[in-house]
Amino acid sequence: GAGVSQSPRYKVAKRGQDVALRCDPISGHVSLFWYQQALGQGPEFLTYFQNEAQLDKSGLPSDRFFAERPEGSVSTLKIQRTQQEDSAVYLCASSLVGSYDGYTFGSGTRLTVV
Amino acid sequence: GDSVTQMEGPVTLSEEAFLTINCTYTATGYPSLFWYVQYPGEGLQLLLKATKADDKGSNKGFEATYRKETTSFHLEKGSVQVSDSAVYFCALPRDDKIIFGKGTRLHILP
Repeated sequence: GAGVSQSPRYKVAKRGQDVALRCDPISGHVSLFWYQQALGQGPEFLTYFQNEAQLDKSGLPSDRFFAERPEGSVSTLKIQRTQQEDSAVYLCASSLVGSYDGYTFGSGTRLTVV
Repeated sequence: GDSVTQMEGPVTLSEEAFLTINCTYTATGYPSLFWYVQYPGEGLQLLLKATKADDKGSNKGFEATYRKETTSFHLEKGSVQVSDSAVYFCALPRDDKIIFGKGTRLHILP
């Protein structure tokens, strides 16, 4: 597609529920990134894929967070047993390898845990 | 570790006013520096960048100069428009990630 597509746009989850957030990157973009943006804060890095390989997951806040990109295209960020502090906008970005200024961000998924 | 500090908002200006949003950074070496903009309901977009000291990035009337001596990358625009209302993020790349500041919300009044 023309841009990075994320779904759903909004998700309300009850505390303890599992959620799955989807990212469709730009076709041909090898690199894919997930960021977490809390209210009033800048985005913070969660994890990075190059094709299907997860090369860096140092930003994932706990073992309840899991990301995958099994075929090197679509990626899913899964959060198990959601907690209120997980409420944030989750941003996905894709780029050509080694191209910081080629990052294209999606509009994000706003997760609210109640 | 590397970090970016930018002035807190919100910043409210009248149309055609002069804009400055301050940004300072802490980093090893001399990374590229970016300004991103986030319009309501949209994803982050790269506004401008500078790759080395004394470089000036510019786009859409916005400018920022990479100042090594003051470790700064302040964003300026001579005459803002209502359509410039957005959140602006100063950022720097490090390894495989981008480190963002907290963002500055800008409101332009007609």
